[in-house]
Amino acid sequence: EVQLLESGGGLVQPGGSLRLSCTGSGFIFSTYAMSWVRQAPGKGLEWLAAISGSDGSTDYADSVKGRFTISRDNSKNTLYLQMNTLRVEDTAVYYCATDLPYQYGMDVWGQGTMVTVSS
Amino acid sequence: SYELTQPPSVSVSPGQTASITCSADKLGDKYASWYQQKPGQSPVLVMYQDNKRPSGIPERFSGSNSGNSATLTISGTQAVDEADYYCQAWDSTTARFGGGTKLTVL
Repeated sequence: EVQLLESGGGLVQPGGSLRLSCTGSGFIFSTYAMSWVRQAPGKGLEWLAAISGSDGSTDYADSVKGRFTISRDNSKNTLYLQMNTLRVEDTAVYYCATDLPYQYGMDVWGQGTMVTVSS
Repeated sequence: SYELTQPPSVSVSPGQTASITCSADKLGDKYASWYQQKPGQSPVLVMYQDNKRPSGIPERFSGSNSGNSATLTISGTQAVDEADYYCQAWDSTTARFGGGTKLTVL
């Protein structure tokens, strides 16, 4: 069964940092591009960042560029999101998802991990 | 920035056809995908590459995309289809989501 499992969420103060992880199973992790998507409480989906499967090229939404870094370790089947200089408005459920090729869509989603930024 | 526009809500009677639209400039030149999200759950891909259904998605779900609009159509809507639906497309290397449509089956 294809699965993604996020971890690393929690409560952090404004200005703090947090690293999220997303571990994949049931598929060849290294062959898939991956994305991070978040959803603030009661709001819609917001794409944050994507990373290719092979060469590790990355892209970011303007809202997180320079603060968040997406990376992956294919030997551990794990995707990461390093979040720095966190703001109250970064409070959300964070999802990882597999990217279908040719921008067809986002296939498999994790269960999400909650990040709360509050003093 | 590239924006995808969806109606906030759509209502449909059980057994009838529901259509949810997603509008953006030249959306038909890109691939549209659709996600279903029920309360407290993760999004689920219900349509990709404009009109392809992932394995396990019922045949009553169909999709189209041309011009400036993409449409997700649910034929013979069931109560279990009540959920939020989001369209998504890539603008170059940036993914965009529509604001979401709450589908009510009543």
